[in-house]
Amino acid sequence: DVKVTQSSRYLVKRTGEKVFLECVQDMDHENMFWYRQDPGLGLRLIYFSYDVKMKEKGDIPEGYSVSREKKERFSLILESASTNQTSMYLCASSHGTTETQYFGPGTRLLVL
Amino acid sequence: GEDVEQSLFLSVREGDSSVINCTYTDSSSTYLYWYKQEPGAGLQLLTYIFSNMDMKQDQRLTVLLNKKDKHLSLRIADTQTGDSAIYFCAEIGGNQFYFGTGTSLTVIP
Repeated sequence: DVKVTQSSRYLVKRTGEKVFLECVQDMDHENMFWYRQDPGLGLRLIYFSYDVKMKEKGDIPEGYSVSREKKERFSLILESASTNQTSMYLCASSHGTTETQYFGPGTRLLVL
Repeated sequence: GEDVEQSLFLSVREGDSSVINCTYTDSSSTYLYWYKQEPGAGLQLLTYIFSNMDMKQDQRLTVLLNKKDKHLSLRIADTQTGDSAIYFCAEIGGNQFYFGTGTSLTVIP
């Protein structure tokens, strides 16, 4: 079974802090994705990566950056957290860009 | 981005059938997906349908696809309390997945 893990289930940070969200997958997938989920808005793609050291902006990249130094790990970085970044963050991976995506359990981030 | 639309809420009684509807925009989507999200968890792939199919059945789940109207539905027969969750449909547009807003299904005992 594909396993996607996220470093934290819950995080509380203060405005202006730098925040790292880590995601690891164990199926040697080329593609990894970061989404945020907000009530009534569904999932919105922040960034994705189709290979090590490669990244592409999704629909809402502003205020975020990513890092993919190793194939199995994809990090989402909030350089200076703001209250409007309070959300559920979901990581996913897939073998091909248009193939089934497998999701981690999510990180619920609260920015005070 | 693409617009994938779903109703936000659905309530059914235990034992009844549930029908969750979705409209999508990209007629070139090769696959359409249904994901389930249980409370506090990530999304879990439930089923998918290839775009050249009209229907797919998998135990209690039936997926219907109307390509002309760009309408996708998920029917859950004999709905159980364990089916209470948020259900997302998703389409592939270009090289990206587009998810609907999610339908929160509540099953009343």
